[in-house]
Amino acid sequence: EVQLVESGGGLVQPGGSLRLSCAASGFTFSSYAMSWVRQAPGKGLEWVSAISGSGGSTYYADSVKGRFTISRDNSKNTLYLQMNSLRAEDTAVYYCAKGRFGEIDAFDIWGQGTMVTVSS
Amino acid sequence: VIWMTQSPSLLSASTGDRVTISCRMSQGISSYLAWYQQKPGKAPELLIYAASTLQSGVPSRFSGSGSGTDFTLTISCLQSEDFATYYCQQYYSFPLTFGPGTKVDIK
Repeated sequence: EVQLVESGGGLVQPGGSLRLSCAASGFTFSSYAMSWVRQAPGKGLEWVSAISGSGGSTYYADSVKGRFTISRDNSKNTLYLQMNSLRAEDTAVYYCAKGRFGEIDAFDIWGQGTMVTVSS
Repeated sequence: VIWMTQSPSLLSASTGDRVTISCRMSQGISSYLAWYQQKPGKAPELLIYAASTLQSGVPSRFSGSGSGTDFTLTISCLQSEDFATYYCQQYYSFPLTFGPGTKVDIK
């Protein structure tokens, strides 16, 4: 079964750091681009960051550029999001999502999400 | 950045109705558009990609059309399980962007 399972969310103070993980199974992880998408409470979806299958190309939303770093370990079938200098507006459910085929594509598989709360 | 609008933001409908949701881009994106359904507390699910291609396993009452800047999602005969929020998303260029969503609720 194709599956994505996020972990690492929690409560963090403004200015703090957190690292999210997304464990993939059921498909050849290294062959697919992956993204992080977030959803603030009661709000819509916001794309955060993407990484190519090899990890050689990364992309970021302006709202997180310079603060968040996406990476992947293809030997462990795991995607990461390192989040630094966290702000209240980063509070959201963070989903990892698999691209269908190309480096930029629709998302055909989503994880269940992990909640990040930035508050003092 | 490609901006997206969706209309309506809220759609009240009854089971059996035909409903249409529109998505408009600030610039042309060819057919690089996807539609997702999201139910409360759940992750989004892909319904349609490439503007009109039905994702595997999605019921045929869902259809998509359009290209360039104007796109439409149609549900031909609304079922109880279709009451949800629907998002369009462009994947023509980074940053990827989503529409603000259309909530379909029970009239």
